Amino acid sequence: LAKTTQPISMDSYEGQEVNITCSHNNIATNDYITWYQQFPSQGPRFIIQGYKTKVTNEVASLFIPADRKSSTLSLPRVSLSDTAVYYCLVGDGGATNKLIFGTGTLLAVQP
Amino acid sequence: NAGVTQTPKFRILKIGQSMTLQCTQDMNHNYMYWYRQDPGMGLKLIYYSVGAGITDKGEVPNGYNVSRSTTEDFPLRLELAAPSQTSVYFCASTQSYEQYFGPGTRLTVT
Repeated sequence: LAKTTQPISMDSYEGQEVNITCSHNNIATNDYITWYQQFPSQGPRFIIQGYKTKVTNEVASLFIPADRKSSTLSLPRVSLSDTAVYYCLVGDGGATNKLIFGTGTLLAVQP
Repeated sequence: NAGVTQTPKFRILKIGQSMTLQCTQDMNHNYMYWYRQDPGMGLKLIYYSVGAGITDKGEVPNGYNVSRSTTEDFPLRLELAAPSQTSVYFCASTQSYEQYFGPGTRLTVT
């Protein structure tokens, strides 16, 4: 399984756009990139998933360059409620569908 | 749909005791997982199952056992509880790439 590397923490202010980058140099051909959000005392929640180029949904965008060795989660106009830990995972969703969580990125949004 | 439910929400065990953490999902998902999360850390995969009757070890399986007799249920058994097993335990299920997590069980072993 590909290992991922993310910044341990990031700070932002309300209304700003936040970009969290994840490195996954050993990503395999069949691997997808998935991001989760976790609030204290809750289980992680799926945010977005992609394979290549750009994916956008109602809460975030995911940018994946052509070599797929990194990805960037973009959160537009963050609010205080976006303060959470964000995890980047890679996996092939195949027979085992195992997902390995790293330590994630703690995003702290201030007023 | 209730999604993924876990019981109990909290539990305190004495060293050497045993218990079963229950996990049930009503989404008819084949894949189910157990994770533990220690304070300030990421999630560690304990065991997973790709379908009824099939289970396999994750990153940290020692001290735990699982069974999967039905699609809906995936209980996690702790035998001879140790302080190192103090953690929050999350169960999850998926049919594709998106995992759905339960609310967690906070376990303290003293």
